[in-house]
Amino acid sequence: AQTVTQSQPEMSVQEAETVTLSCTYDTSENNYYLFWYKQPPSRQMILVIRQEAYKQQNATENRFSVNFQKAAKSFSLKISDSQLGDTAMYFCAFMAYNTDKLIFGTGTRLQVFP
Amino acid sequence: DVKVTQSSRYLVKRTGEKVFLECVQDMDHENMFWYRQDPGLGLRLIYFSYDVKMKEKGDIPEGYSVSREKKERFSLILESASTNQTSMYLCASSSPAGTVSPFGSGTRLTVV
Repeated sequence: AQTVTQSQPEMSVQEAETVTLSCTYDTSENNYYLFWYKQPPSRQMILVIRQEAYKQQNATENRFSVNFQKAAKSFSLKISDSQLGDTAMYFCAFMAYNTDKLIFGTGTRLQVFP
Repeated sequence: DVKVTQSSRYLVKRTGEKVFLECVQDMDHENMFWYRQDPGLGLRLIYFSYDVKMKEKGDIPEGYSVSREKKERFSLILESASTNQTSMYLCASSSPAGTVSPFGSGTRLTVV
């Protein structure tokens, strides 16, 4: 069975600074996807970034980038130039190929201070 | 703007009541999902559906059932609500392309 672990329940960062959220996972699958989702106080889960395991290049979306280490089963999210609107819960998630079933971590609550 | 709509944002029900949570998507997605979100546990999959009238159990199906009579609508049913089903419920949809998005805004259910 796959598991996803987020070891940082809460983090804080000052506006304009950079913060990294950690995620590790466990699987015996070779082909899979990894995701970061953001859940602001509005409760809407928003897809932030997606990584396909067979791609060695780390995914980036504007200020958001990942550090994907397949051998170490690590998938961290870096947020550059943090903004107040980045305040949210962030969930790491795993999906094996051809399943569409997401397995989530327990989340990291990020607070961005002015 | 494509979206998933959940009919209720907040719901309070009594123990033993039959509860229906409704979810509608406007993207013609084949797949729909119901998740339960609890603090410290993240999101856990209750049921999902790959097609109309098709359903499969997720990780925590006990005490729940689902209905998908039309492609755009996926209902979660609590046959006899219990206090341990007090939680946030999130619906989502996807096409078979390896990305589950979007999600609805959630229904916060309280069973008293």
